[in-house]
Amino acid sequence: EADIYQTPRYLVIGTGKKITLECSQTMGHDKMYWYQQDPGMELHLIHYSYGVNSTEKGDLSSESTVSRIRTEHFPLTLESARPSHTSQYLCASSEFRGTNLNTGELFFGEGSRLTVL
Amino acid sequence: EDKVVQSPLSLVVHEGDTVTLNCSYEVTNFRSLLWYKQEKKAPTFLFMLTSSGIEKKSGRLSSILDKKELSSILNITATQTGDSAIYLCAVIHGSSNTGKLIFGQGTTLQVKP
Repeated sequence: EADIYQTPRYLVIGTGKKITLECSQTMGHDKMYWYQQDPGMELHLIHYSYGVNSTEKGDLSSESTVSRIRTEHFPLTLESARPSHTSQYLCASSEFRGTNLNTGELFFGEGSRLTVL
Repeated sequence: EDKVVQSPLSLVVHEGDTVTLNCSYEVTNFRSLLWYKQEKKAPTFLFMLTSSGIEKKSGRLSSILDKKELSSILNITATQTGDSAIYLCAVIHGSSNTGKLIFGQGTTLQVKP
């Protein structure tokens, strides 16, 4: 069973507030990802990290920022939330490395559903 | 532009039917293709395919990769209502250390009793 946790699961917040979505994994995975998914739509990669102090922007432009100070922790922050940020945010981690692909699968957290009023 | 395209986007069948879901991709430096099932919450892993022509099987589900055609299919036989979900195809591409995963838009399967 995957050990990756996201908090909060649900958040309703007013415009202009600062929010941080937490993501932690206990599997020692180097790679972590944040995906954004609107209802009925595909997952879009917004941030990823290959290890501590490594973060990159994903394919979908996002006003959020991330940090990776510890291997197990990959929080996502919105400095000033807007209604357009309303979405589900999924955190994931993987062991994908080099030629030893292992399963290559992503382990997903339960997701954080954000509503900005 | 790297992309993963799934078809059909939605499908309604009756219990006992067999379904075939399609996934095609255009990416640089393909490494592997994965199938996920997403119900109400996070996607759960089904299969990972790296080699062309080798079928992966788990119960009533099976999948195969065709690298020549840049595509994969996911078969579900004797469907049950519990198979109703969104099925996501994803492709890992890029260098060995910086592989990224791109998702298709998903196929929404509804199995009616």
